[in-house]
Amino acid sequence: SQTIHQWPATLVQPVGSPLSLECTVEGTSNPNLYWYRQAAGRGLQLLFYSVGIGQISSEVPQNLSASRPQDRQFILSSKKLLLSDSGFYLCASETGTSYEQYFGPGTRLTVT
Amino acid sequence: TQLLEQSPQFLSIQEGENLTVYCNSSSVFSSLQWYRQEPGEGPVLLVTVVTGGEVKKLKRLTFQFGDARKDSSLHITAAQPGDTGLYLCAGWASGTYKYIFGTGTRLKVLA
Repeated sequence: SQTIHQWPATLVQPVGSPLSLECTVEGTSNPNLYWYRQAAGRGLQLLFYSVGIGQISSEVPQNLSASRPQDRQFILSSKKLLLSDSGFYLCASETGTSYEQYFGPGTRLTVT
Repeated sequence: TQLLEQSPQFLSIQEGENLTVYCNSSSVFSSLQWYRQEPGEGPVLLVTVVTGGEVKKLKRLTFQFGDARKDSSLHITAAQPGDTGLYLCAGWASGTYKYIFGTGTRLKVLA
């Protein structure tokens, strides 16, 4: 089975500072990878997805970006954080055959 | 446009009661997944339903996929405090090439 790792678990950053969140996947190869953001007690908002190395699709225009430098590594970045970037960020992996997504433990980001 | 609407949005019940959560859409889904998420953690997959009319049971949880594959339900029998969490349905809507999550149902089971 797949295991999704995310770090850091929590992060407090000032407005205007850069961001880098990392996600790595174990137990599968060539997964489809996803970044979601979740507001408190709400559903999931898809931010980015990737079907392969260097292939990124953006769902929501914003000051965030994503990269996939390796097959099982997915990175979420920002050059300058906004207050509205605060939230719970989740990385998910899907093998492309079952449509089932497996999630990491998430990163709680607070922008102050 | 939200393609998957869940109801109710919030539910607070006593231990031992039964409940049903609904996931509805106007679109056809090739399959639907149900997830449960606890505070501060990522969602965990509970089940996948694929065939119209399919019923799957996971201990006290019963999942059903509508005949037309446009809706699904989750029924919990004799709810326990450990069932507390956010329940999410999700799936690929035919023709959209997007994986859609439902609006979520927050369940609280009181001891």
